[in-house]
This record gives sequence, structure tokens and C-alpha cells, in this order.
Amino acid sequence: LAKTTQPISMDSYEGQEVNITCSHNNIATNDYITWYQQFPSQGPRFIIQGYKTKVTNEVASLFIPADRKSSTLSLPRVSLSDTAVYYCLVGAISSGSARQLTFGSGTQLTVLP
Amino acid sequence: DAGVTQSPTHLIKTRGQQVTLRCSPKSGHDTVSWYQQALGQGPQFIFQYYEEEERQRGNFPDRFSGHQFPNYSSELNVNALLLGDSALYLCASSSSQLAATDTQYFGPGTRLTVL
Repeated sequence: LAKTTQPISMDSYEGQEVNITCSHNNIATNDYITWYQQFPSQGPRFIIQGYKTKVTNEVASLFIPADRKSSTLSLPRVSLSDTAVYYCLVGAISSGSARQLTFGSGTQLTVLP
Repeated sequence: DAGVTQSPTHLIKTRGQQVTLRCSPKSGHDTVSWYQQALGQGPQFIFQYYEEEERQRGNFPDRFSGHQFPNYSSELNVNALLLGDSALYLCASSSSQLAATDTQYFGPGTRLTVL
């Protein structure tokens, strides 16, 4: 499984856009990139997933350059409630079987008032 | 529509004891995965159950075992507890009927403390 590297922590202020970058130099051709969010004492929550270029949903955007060796999670106009740990995962997807998710240490995002 | 539920919420045990944790998957899901999350670390995959059988297993000793029932609920059993087993135990569910994605749904977890 491709190893990921992300910053240990980031601080931001309310209303700002936050970009968290993840490096995955060994990403394989059939690997997808997925981001999860986790609040203290809760289970991780799926945020967004992509393969290449840009993906956007109601929560975030995911930017993936052509070489796919990195990706950037973009959170628009963060609020205090976005304070959480954000995990970047890479791995293949196969039908009929949920793959085991490999989490790194994640990025602790702290949103300040 | 109930999401993934886990019980108990918290549990305190002593070294050498055995523990059973329970998980009910999200409605419509038939696959259950278990993860262990130590303080300050990301979740680590323990194993996955589908059709009442263990399908995948992470790097955990045989002291960790599980079971899945016909209603898709699952149990995680840990024998001969060690201090290092203290962690948040997470259950995640998904459906085999859909193309597998990373949209596994996690429960709130069970906080196990071993004294």
C-alpha cells in the first residue's frame, strides 16, 4: 500500500480556506485517494475521494495533479467545528469487498476564532 | 435509518481478562470491519467479516478474534488482555452489493481501558 505523508498539524482562522497537502510518491495506477475526518472519540467520517484532476462536493474539494504523487484537500471558509484530524489514504478499490483502510497519523487541524 | 452502533461505550478491564465488543452495521450493510486506534494514532485494521467469515486480517495476534451473526452484527473478542490493548475500538460497515469504495461508515467506537 502506498505510504502517505501529511503535516502533523495546521492552524487556521474562522472563515479562511484551508489546504492540507498529502504526499504519496508510490501511488499505484489503480489507487484512489480518499480523505477522512475524525473528531475526538468518534469514528472517522468520509469526506471526499478522487482519482485525478479535481473533485468537489458539498464539503470539500480535492485537487490531484497529473503525476498523482500528491493531493490537496481544500476546505472552504472553515469554522470552529472543522477542528479535527484529517487523514489521507491511498489504495485500490475492488468490487464486492471493502478494502482494509490504512490510516497514517493524520493532520490535526485547529480552527481559531 | 440507524447508523453503525457499538456497545459498550466504555469498558475497564484488568490484565489477563477477556473482553467482547459488539457492533451493529448500518441498515443494508453486510460487511463489518474492526479497527484499533491507540491514543494519538490513526486506526489500524484488525479484520473484516462477510458472510459470517473472516475475509481479511491485519497484523494482530490470535488473541483477537471475531464473529459475525446472520443478522450481520459482529463481535470482537480479545483474550488475555495486555496494557497495550487499551485503545478505541472502531467498527466500520459497508455493503458488498455496491462497488467497494472508501465510504465505509464508522461507529462511535468502544473505549477499552486495561489496568
